[in-house]
Amino acid sequence: SQQGEEDPQALSIQEGENATMNCSYKTSINNLQWYRQNSGRGLVHLILIRSNEREKHSGRLRVTLDTSKKSSSLLITASRAADTASYFCATGTGANSKLTFGKGITLSVRP
Amino acid sequence: DAGVIQSPRHEVTEMGQEVTLRCKPISGHNSLFWYRQTMMRGLELLIYFNNNVPIDDSGMPEDRFSAKMPNASFSTLKIQPSEPRDSAVYFCASSLGGQGFVGYTFGSGTRLTVV
Repeated sequence: SQQGEEDPQALSIQEGENATMNCSYKTSINNLQWYRQNSGRGLVHLILIRSNEREKHSGRLRVTLDTSKKSSSLLITASRAADTASYFCATGTGANSKLTFGKGITLSVRP
Repeated sequence: DAGVIQSPRHEVTEMGQEVTLRCKPISGHNSLFWYRQTMMRGLELLIYFNNNVPIDDSGMPEDRFSAKMPNASFSTLKIQPSEPRDSAVYFCASSLGGQGFVGYTFGSGTRLTVV
């Protein structure tokens, strides 16, 4: 079963605009992560946020976590055509490193 | 570091044949995961190992699926006999577990087509 549910399912923006993607989950988590997948490739880890953190930054990425609402958002600022990919949120619920992935968001950045 | 290495990249086989997928995790990582990705079901965790020991195989769909990790640098996922509904992309991922966990490193996947 899917733990994370991303929203929207698809997003199309112009290069230079910001992209915001959301993820909601159902059960308590230990950490939440975002991954990117380019067509025909494996997933690439972008950023991890732990349950006691509210916001993290990495380059053009900003992720927030609201455990009271069981939701997270990923913001990509100043998007580039190369950011075109599918983005997945994944939740870890225990001390082990098992992750459950959502179905992903397809982001298209038009040049 | 060459990353997580999976082989083969593509496999086309006939229904009923045995299929073996291989994975070499990143050296020093102590957790290994096998996922299956399809359009309909997304990414599904099949099984994962900690320190070469299977911890959770509840995602293995049927007895036709089996996985082994004989040592820290090698794992296999076997399907016997294969069926058309097994067609999917199979990913292997590794990570450092426990307090050192910072995320997975995925391989490039094996695209399996069963005809």
